[in-house]
Amino acid sequence: GENVEQHPSTLSVQEGDSAVIKCTYSDSASNYFPWYKQELGKGPQLIIDIRSNVGEKKDQRIAVTLNKTAKHFSLHITETQPEDSAVYFCAAGEAQKLVFGQGTRLTINP
Amino acid sequence: NAGVMQNPRHLVRRRGQEARLRCSPMKGHSHVYWYRQLPEEGLKFMVYLQKENIIDESGMPKERFSAEFPKEGPSILRIQQVVRGDSAAYFCASSPSAGGWYEQYFGPGTRLTVT
Repeated sequence: GENVEQHPSTLSVQEGDSAVIKCTYSDSASNYFPWYKQELGKGPQLIIDIRSNVGEKKDQRIAVTLNKTAKHFSLHITETQPEDSAVYFCAAGEAQKLVFGQGTRLTINP
Repeated sequence: NAGVMQNPRHLVRRRGQEARLRCSPMKGHSHVYWYRQLPEEGLKFMVYLQKENIIDESGMPKERFSAEFPKEGPSILRIQQVVRGDSAAYFCASSPSAGGWYEQYFGPGTRLTVT
């Protein structure tokens, strides 16, 4: 079955700097790659996603890149703000099922 | 437009009791997914249901766990004879259709504590 590895597990950056989180997946059949943000005590919130026929997608300060050949995808957050502090999860999806990475706890230092 | 609703938000059960977790999907959504999240871990897929049908239960433990999504009412995840290892956050997500399965919107979760 699919296996998703996410790194780093924790990330601390200065406010205004960029943050990058990386994920690799194992199943070449996966064709959908969302990123979720989870704040303490809440459910995951979809922040951006990418399909396998696209290499890069951007939405304001966040962007996702996908390399299908290497089976990895990354989340980029620019101009980080304190409200970006949360746990971020990547996932790989195929046939109505999402397989999640282990999560990255992102802390933005003022 | 209300999002995915889950109740209760917190549930405490003693070992051996039953836990019932409820999930009401977003309006217009007919597909429900249940995930379990252990502390400091990612979400693990449990089961995918449509109205009156279990489509994929490959992530469900073989014993004590069951799920349903009746024609009327919320989806129910039922855990019989709970054990301490069942303590976790249980999230449900909904999507509008099989073709739109990737649009999974999550509820706030039910945090189950087994004492």
